[in-house]
Amino acid sequence: DAGVTQSPTHLIKTRGQHVTLRCSPISGHKSVSWYQQVLGQGPQFIFQYYEKEERGRGNFPDRFSARQFPNYSSELNVNALLLGDSALYLCASSSTRQANEKLFFGSGTQLSVL
Amino acid sequence: GQNIDQPTEMTATEGAIVQINCTYQTSGFNGLFWYQQHAGEAPTFLSYNVLDGLEEKGRFSSFLSRSKGYSYLLLKELQMKDSASYLCAVRDGAGGFKTIFGAGTRLFVKA
Repeated sequence: DAGVTQSPTHLIKTRGQHVTLRCSPISGHKSVSWYQQVLGQGPQFIFQYYEKEERGRGNFPDRFSARQFPNYSSELNVNALLLGDSALYLCASSSTRQANEKLFFGSGTQLSVL
Repeated sequence: GQNIDQPTEMTATEGAIVQINCTYQTSGFNGLFWYQQHAGEAPTFLSYNVLDGLEEKGRFSSFLSRSKGYSYLLLKELQMKDSASYLCAVRDGAGGFKTIFGAGTRLFVKA
């Protein structure tokens, strides 16, 4: 079975541009979460979606948005890119929203903003 | 607010035992996770605790004290492949929809 897949794996953008990152959860998983990880730090929570609705949002500006599609795949959009947005963006899926549900992570998209 | 603290780095010797501590303060609590992350790779699940006490799983054990806001991950019989970052994460109780991660502890295992 395929794990969580993310695309693209690497991306280079310039300041002010817009970027769309994509995530396909494990088959049967209905919950997708997005995290930003800066080198040497832990993942920072951005969004969680469950059954196509936003269920949680972290402390990120409105330049960050996301959505989940009927097939449970998800997109993370970042507008007006800043140098500080350079990071590894991780997508994680879980089958439900129960408290003990572990997260399955994709390999991430490495975003570099120049 | 939410705060998860763990040591930045630790070094241990192959074959030894190491304990990685984590303290947390969150607005709610629905369980604590430990994840392992090798350099350049995605985090992978190690353990979950929601009740006080010790959970043992092979060479890895995890302990939780909810009253103290404290957990530790115990790694026994260290192997070189255990060199990685270990992330402590708390499932937020407010709606239960966020898993909040600490900054991680980088463990170096030396021969």
